[in-house]
This record gives sequence, structure tokens and C-alpha cells, in this order.
Amino acid sequence: ETGVTQTPRHLVMGMTNKKSLKCEQHLGHNAMYWYKQSAKKPLELMFVYSLEERVENNSVPSRFSPECPNSSHLFLHLHTLQPEDSALYLCASSQDPSGARYNEQFFGPGTRLTVL
Amino acid sequence: RKEVEQDPGPFNVPEGATVAFNCTYSNSASQSFFWYRQDCRKEPKLLMSVYSSGNEDGRFTAQLNRASQYISLLIRDSKLSDSATYLCVVNEGLNDMRFGAGTRLTVKP
Repeated sequence: ETGVTQTPRHLVMGMTNKKSLKCEQHLGHNAMYWYKQSAKKPLELMFVYSLEERVENNSVPSRFSPECPNSSHLFLHLHTLQPEDSALYLCASSQDPSGARYNEQFFGPGTRLTVL
Repeated sequence: RKEVEQDPGPFNVPEGATVAFNCTYSNSASQSFFWYRQDCRKEPKLLMSVYSSGNEDGRFTAQLNRASQYISLLIRDSKLSDSATYLCVVNEGLNDMRFGAGTRLTVKP
């Protein structure tokens, strides 16, 4: 039903592990986003890619490293995370908002990450 | 001051009731506005965009007041399936979407 898929859906990792989250969109969009959603907090925008170029990095710690190999795929590489990084990580896509007034974003189901 | 502020609720209403949520935003240059719905442990889903003249989609009506910098969502004839968290979203620029923390609605039989 959703045009945006994410894998894995759940991930438990230790602080010394390295893992990657994957997002794929099938909507023909050319902007993709990573958000973090912690309990009872607003969604926090982490990274934005537009036309495969990173256009926003909201002071995210370097232990999070995004990669956008093409307009349909987005990765979030994780290494030496902290327990406070446990959250729901959501990927979204939209049309390139340049000149677009109503660039609605469509979300994937998220990866629920637990850092032990 | 929070950039996008919503009453967290919870709003507990009986089936068939009318319920309204407000959302205020701080950036007067904000360009577009949306309501999203998020079910428990699921991703946010677009409910409706909010147009300057106001817009309606079935039982849902959205209004924008730029002068007072708030948007509203009205739900008429509430259904049990309307129970969810409603997120107010403000687009402040090209890629800059700001989310409110959400208003939780529970519709009871």
C-alpha cells in the first residue's frame, strides 16, 4: 500500500555495532528525508537529499551517516550509537520542492531501533 | 517558543461528536500547511493539505488563519477509526518541514 519501503522494520544493536537502514521509494519522487521520532517528541528532521544532493544536515552527530546513491534509494549508516539514539527512524519522499508549493511528504513504515 | 505548537490532548470524545484541533506556528513566512494522521506505532500519513481558502474532505475541514498564524482541523461525526494522533505540519521553506508533537484523539463508543 505504501510507495515508500524501509528495512529492517526492527533493529537491536550494541553500541559498538555498525548497521545500515535502507529506504526505497517507488513514487518517482526526487527528494528524500530521514527523520527521528522519539517518544512524545515531534519528528526531528535529520537529513534531506534533493536530486541526490544532500541539502540539509540538521546538526546530526557524525555517528549517523546518510547515503543517497540514486533518487530511489536512501541509506542511513549507523556506528557507535548511544542508548539515547533508540527511536523510530522514518524515511520520507516528496517531489523536489523547488517551485512546488504543496510538496507533501510520504513516509515509510519506519525502523524501530533499540541501542543496548 | 516552540515553532509548531499543538495541544497534546488527549481528546476523548464519543462517536458522532464534532471535535476541533488548533495548531499555532511561529514563522510568518511559512509557505504551506498540512495535517497528518499517525496511528500507534505506524508512520504518519497525509490527511490533507491546508489551503488559504480553507478546504473540506468529507467529514474533515481544515482552515488557515495567516494573520493569527494558526491552522485548525475539524472532524464531524467522529468514528472509532478516527482515533489517532493528528500532526500539524508547517513547511517553512524548500525542504524545511516542521512537525508539531501531535494531538491525541480517542473516539469511544
